[in-house]
Amino acid sequence: DTAVSQTPKYLVTQMGNDKSIKCEQNLGHDTMYWYKQDSKKFLKIMFSYNNKELIINETVPNRFSPKSPDKAHLNLHINSLELGDSAVYFCASSHAYGGEKTQYFGPGTRLLVL
Amino acid sequence: GQQLNQSPQSMFIQEGEDVSMNCTSSSIFNTWLWYKQDPGEGPVLLIALYKAGELTSNGRLTAQFGITRKDSFLNISASIPSDVGIYFCAGLSYGGSQGNLIFGKGTKLSVKP
Repeated sequence: DTAVSQTPKYLVTQMGNDKSIKCEQNLGHDTMYWYKQDSKKFLKIMFSYNNKELIINETVPNRFSPKSPDKAHLNLHINSLELGDSAVYFCASSHAYGGEKTQYFGPGTRLLVL
Repeated sequence: GQQLNQSPQSMFIQEGEDVSMNCTSSSIFNTWLWYKQDPGEGPVLLIALYKAGELTSNGRLTAQFGITRKDSFLNISASIPSDVGIYFCAGLSYGGSQGNLIFGKGTKLSVKP
């Protein structure tokens, strides 16, 4: 069984469109995350979220918004897509509290904005 | 903000050789993690270190949590072609309610058969 899954794996779209990426985890974790990996493979946190708190990286444009229908899902909505949004987006999850906050990653969504 | 310096940036080695990579920071971390990313895949956790001085092995991989809590290394012994990929260190600090995971920039490993 896949622990952290994302859909779609590939997303090609036109500039200006609005798109969503879905993420689901079956690990029973309390906290979920979205990361952006650029062409140089640098991983940068965008959001972390549990049922109590959303923490937003201040460098993330407000065109990006996470939506969590329940603890097992954290979807990423992107409005008015720009060329610079092209990247690989990874979802991850972890326990919220305690000594082990190790994050487990999904397979990634490769977004290409034309 | 917190930053991790991961080195080397890339390595080209012969199959069978041992590999060593490390991460250093000016900040203290509570947890050190090592991930491997294969092409087209997400990062996969290799080793998690939770205590300063901890030395942990996972098969041919060995990682240590530096005693100062500001560094960690990963060793791979007797490398094989499937070790190819990008290795990331990540440091986790527990500031705030959810902690903060900072990634190094990765070490790209190439193994020549």
